[in-house]
Amino acid sequence: LAKTTQPISMDSYEGQEVNITCSHNNIATNDYITWYQQFPSQGPRFIIQGYKTKVTNEVASLFIPADRKSSTLSLPRVSLSDTAVYYCLVGDGGNSGYALNFGKGTSLLVTP
Amino acid sequence: SQTIHQWPATLVQPVGSPLSLECTVEGTSNPNLYWYRQAAGRGLQLLFYSVGIGQISSEVPQNLSASRPQDRQFILSSKKLLLSDSGFYLCAWSSLRTAPYEQYFGPGTRLTVT
Repeated sequence: LAKTTQPISMDSYEGQEVNITCSHNNIATNDYITWYQQFPSQGPRFIIQGYKTKVTNEVASLFIPADRKSSTLSLPRVSLSDTAVYYCLVGDGGNSGYALNFGKGTSLLVTP
Repeated sequence: SQTIHQWPATLVQPVGSPLSLECTVEGTSNPNLYWYRQAAGRGLQLLFYSVGIGQISSEVPQNLSASRPQDRQFILSSKKLLLSDSGFYLCAWSSLRTAPYEQYFGPGTRLTVT
């Protein structure tokens, strides 16, 4: 899997938009960019995945520039319940059965 | 719908004792299965994954082993636990019907080795 770099932690107030950027300079042509969210004492939850440009779902948006060497997860109007760890992963699945290595992620703290 | 079960939810074991954690998936066939561990203050580490019955790939050399005796059953074992084996163990599944890297996680087992 391509190596990713993301901030260790971020703070935000309720109602603000939060953008978490992940760099993946060695992303390969066939790689997808995937984001997960993890609450304490729970397993990670798949949030969003993209290959290029912009992807949006009911939870978040994912912005991917043309060179694909970085990506930004955007959480609109966060609430206290968005406090969690967010993981950025890059890879193509290939013959590894889509095995993932999560790393430490970005710990987001949302306060009133 | 698909469901993933793990048990036990919590476990306290002495050093040197054996370990067996079980994971089962319902509602899907021929899933890819994974074992992860999250130690205190650390990220999520992939331990094993399996793309079919009897097919196990190990990501990290350690005193743990995994087996897949049935299509939707994944077992994590150890003959002798170490203190460093303490952590939060998570089982996950994915399939060809899901997006690449879209995995679904179980509730986890909190293991404390004393």
